[in-house]
Amino acid sequence: QMQLQESGPGLVKPSETLSLTCGVSGYSISNAYHWGWVRQPPGKGLEWVGSVYHTGSTYYSPSLKSRVTISLDTSKNNFSLKLSSVTAADTAVYYCARVIHSSAWKLYYFDYWGQGILVTVSS
Amino acid sequence: QSVLTQPPSASGTPGQRVTISCSGSNSNIGSNTVNWYQQLPGTAPKLLISSNDQRPSGVPDRFSGSKSGTSASLAISGLQSEDEADYYCAAWDDRLNGFCVFGTGTKVTVL
Repeated sequence: QMQLQESGPGLVKPSETLSLTCGVSGYSISNAYHWGWVRQPPGKGLEWVGSVYHTGSTYYSPSLKSRVTISLDTSKNNFSLKLSSVTAADTAVYYCARVIHSSAWKLYYFDYWGQGILVTVSS
Repeated sequence: QSVLTQPPSASGTPGQRVTISCSGSNSNIGSNTVNWYQQLPGTAPKLLISSNDQRPSGVPDRFSGSKSGTSASLAISGLQSEDEADYYCAAWDDRLNGFCVFGTGTKVTVL
């Protein structure tokens, strides 16, 4: 059974870069699929951050595109999220997930999720 | 910023049928498939419905999805206490380079 687990600092200072890693077990991320991130500010709804294909190509949220980078590390079987110049508005639970994506079939959804990690932006 | 609109809340008594709507536009629901996620309190979201109306293995058949034009719906038949959760619709949006959009979310309460 595939499992995903987020890791990283729970506290980041304003203007610094948020860095998270999603470890994947039970499946090799270099084989196929997109791998993505979704965040949820406290008490609010879900917000898509972006995803990376197993080939390395990426999709990013238009509102975060200038600050976000998602990449794969196939040697460690994980993928990462970097969000620069953070503010309090970036405080959220960040979830990593596997993405099913097919342009031909008009599909894009998350089928396996990590448990999430709370990242607070504060000095 | 959500571009799919859902009612903030819905409720019903055990055994009742509850329906949640999700309204979008031609660039998202009108052009791509809709998915639904259930988020129980304090937990990660879980895929409930994919590709408009497909239930993943393990999802009870009292959950069903449908789509028509630029709107979609999730129905819960035979509402149970464990169905009390937040529900989100989502779809791909073809604008710009493409991006995923979530609905505003609906809190379902079992009375």
